[in-house]
Amino acid sequence: SAVISQKPSRDICQRGTSLTIQCQVDSQVTMMFWYRQQPGQSLTLIATANQGSEATYESGFVIDKFPISRPNLTFSTLTVSNMSPEDSSIYLCSVSSPAAEAFFGQGTRLTVV
Amino acid sequence: AQSVTQPDIHITVSEGASLELRCNYSYGATPYLFWYVQSPGQGLQLLLKYFSGDTLVQGIKGFEAEFKRSQSSFNLRKPSVHWSDAAEYFCAVGVNSGYALNFGKGTSLLVTP
Repeated sequence: SAVISQKPSRDICQRGTSLTIQCQVDSQVTMMFWYRQQPGQSLTLIATANQGSEATYESGFVIDKFPISRPNLTFSTLTVSNMSPEDSSIYLCSVSSPAAEAFFGQGTRLTVV
Repeated sequence: AQSVTQPDIHITVSEGASLELRCNYSYGATPYLFWYVQSPGQGLQLLLKYFSGDTLVQGIKGFEAEFKRSQSSFNLRKPSVHWSDAAEYFCAVGVNSGYALNFGKGTSLLVTP
């Protein structure tokens, strides 16, 4: 199994500002994933972060809004840029084991005011 | 198009009663299948998974699920529900090892005394 630590666990931010979320894994993994869970909704994949290459974004998500870094095999960051109230969500980091089992961080609960 | 459907948005059961949460998927091949639970303010916890083999899989907390290829279903069951089972339940599908998951919209379970 993998242990994933996310920081911050929650934050309240002013609209127009940016927040960077950190994700640390206790083992080396090839791919890390960032999901968004809007209030009362399911999880939606934002992007896949590969070490050594640019992240791959899903339809509806763009790099300018959600820039991602992946400097090594155990760490990634997701930035939510120029925030608006619509960005209020839980953001989750995830990794998959070789057995295709996904592990999730506790999430970052973001409120934009 | 690939999809995961959880037909029931909300389900209410009495404590001690049996439970079945439905999940249907639409994929070209047999996918990796998962059930996750999310308690209020908590992260996602894996209940069980199916990759291959025995179509009836046992999970944690007394849950089980049965894969039925002919019905493209992976329903979650529990013979006797406890009040602590009240949570949001997500069915998820993966197409390959190391890939992101596609989540259903979730079923909210309410347990009454």
